Amino acid sequence: AQSVSQHNHHVILSEAASLELGCNYSYGGTVNLFWYVQYPGQHLQLLLKYFSGDPLVKGIKGFEAEFIKSKFSFNLRKPSVQWSDTAEYFCAVGNTGKLIFGQGTTLQVKP
Amino acid sequence: DSGVTQTPKHLITATGQRVTLRCSPRSGDLSVYWYQQSLDQGLQFLIQYYNGEERAKGNILERFSAQQFPDLHSELNLSSLELGDSALYFCASSPDRVKAFFGQGTRLTVV
Repeated sequence: AQSVSQHNHHVILSEAASLELGCNYSYGGTVNLFWYVQYPGQHLQLLLKYFSGDPLVKGIKGFEAEFIKSKFSFNLRKPSVQWSDTAEYFCAVGNTGKLIFGQGTTLQVKP
Repeated sequence: DSGVTQTPKHLITATGQRVTLRCSPRSGDLSVYWYQQSLDQGLQFLIQYYNGEERAKGNILERFSAQQFPDLHSELNLSSLELGDSALYFCASSPDRVKAFFGQGTRLTVV
C-alpha cells in the first residue's frame, strides 16, 4: 500500500536551533517526493521537491531534504530555524499529480 | 499567491444540506485536484480532473461529486452533509500532473 509516515507530530524548537523532520514512504514505481508547508491560515506551499538526480535538494527559505532510497526516507532539514518557520509541514509522495500526504508535523518555534 | 482561486473561503451550513465549492486553476493548467483536510483524516486526495475528464479518484464519498468545465474551472459538490464533513477543502492545479499549486482552501463547517 502507498503511504507516507511522518514521525514527529509536534516539534517545539527555540530560534536558531537545527531542524530535522522525518518522512518515510512506501510507494511502488517512480517516486516523486515533496515537502509542503502550511502557515497558519494559509494555503499549502511547496518547499521543495525531488524527482531524480542529486538526492540532496534545496528548497526555499533555507530548507533542504535528502532522499535516501535505501531507507525510503526524505527528511527535511534546516540548520537554523526562525520564529517565522512556525507552521505545519507535510511530506508527500506522488506520481501523475495524485499526492499522498503524511499526517503533518506542527513546528512551533519559540522566539 | 499560488494563482489558484477558491470560493467561498468559508461556508457554514446545516446537516443534510448541499453545497458547491468552486476552484479556478492557474492559467493554462489543465489538471485540477481536490483534497480534504480534516483533523482526524489529515490531508486526503479526493479526485482529479484533466481537461474536463475525471482521471483519478481517491477517498471520495459517494455523496460527493465533482466536475471540470470547458473553461477549466472545477466544482466540488457535497450533498447530504454530515458533521464529519466539516473540513478544509483544497483545490490544486498542475501544469504537468506532477507539481501541484494549492488554493487557499474553503473551510466548510457543518452544524
